[in-house]
Amino acid sequence: GIQVEQSPPDLILQEGANSTLRCNFSDSVNNLQWFHQNPWGQLINLFYIPSGTKQNGRLSATTVATERYSLLYISSSQTTDSGVYFCAGISGSARQLTFGSGTQLTVLP
Amino acid sequence: GAGVSQSPSNKVTEKGKDVELRCDPISGHTALYWYRQRLGQGLEFLIYFQGNSAPDKSGLPSDRFSAERTGESVSTLTIQRTQQEDSAVYLCASSTQVSTDTQYFGPGTRLTVL
Repeated sequence: GIQVEQSPPDLILQEGANSTLRCNFSDSVNNLQWFHQNPWGQLINLFYIPSGTKQNGRLSATTVATERYSLLYISSSQTTDSGVYFCAGISGSARQLTFGSGTQLTVLP
Repeated sequence: GAGVSQSPSNKVTEKGKDVELRCDPISGHTALYWYRQRLGQGLEFLIYFQGNSAPDKSGLPSDRFSAERTGESVSTLTIQRTQQEDSAVYLCASSTQVSTDTQYFGPGTRLTVL
């Protein structure tokens, strides 16, 4: 199966700062999702983005499929953005998502 | 329902006991997945159901783990003779039949084996 690498593993920001999270894939993907896991463990869907660019409020994501990576941008971060951000993808004939190890984001007031 | 639901939200059991975890997918979603998340780690795939096709059990870690799904509705994950290493959050997800579609996750069941 595919390998998914996320960076950085940990990120600490002051409220109001911007950040970029990266996800690299070992193979091309036909499904790519970004999630935010809140402190209660709930996985919240952020983006379904196997290619292209999407924006939702202060968050945006870009996937460059030919180069096998995706970026998640968080602008004007808030304390409620804290938590773990996961990317996950599906390659070839697989049906299940393969997850990265996540980026632990802490936004300080 | 509006989203994927799971029960119980928390389960504490003694080593050697059997447990059953339940997942109710989004109405109309024919694909259902079980994943496991150990403390501080990402999610690992366990099993996948698609309609009436044979399930993909390739992620089940041992024969103590099994799962059933009746049609396109509720699924039950059973762990027999639980071990301490089974302690984790068990998450269920559902999607439409196409793998290139969004998977939506339930809130998970936190299993603690004493």
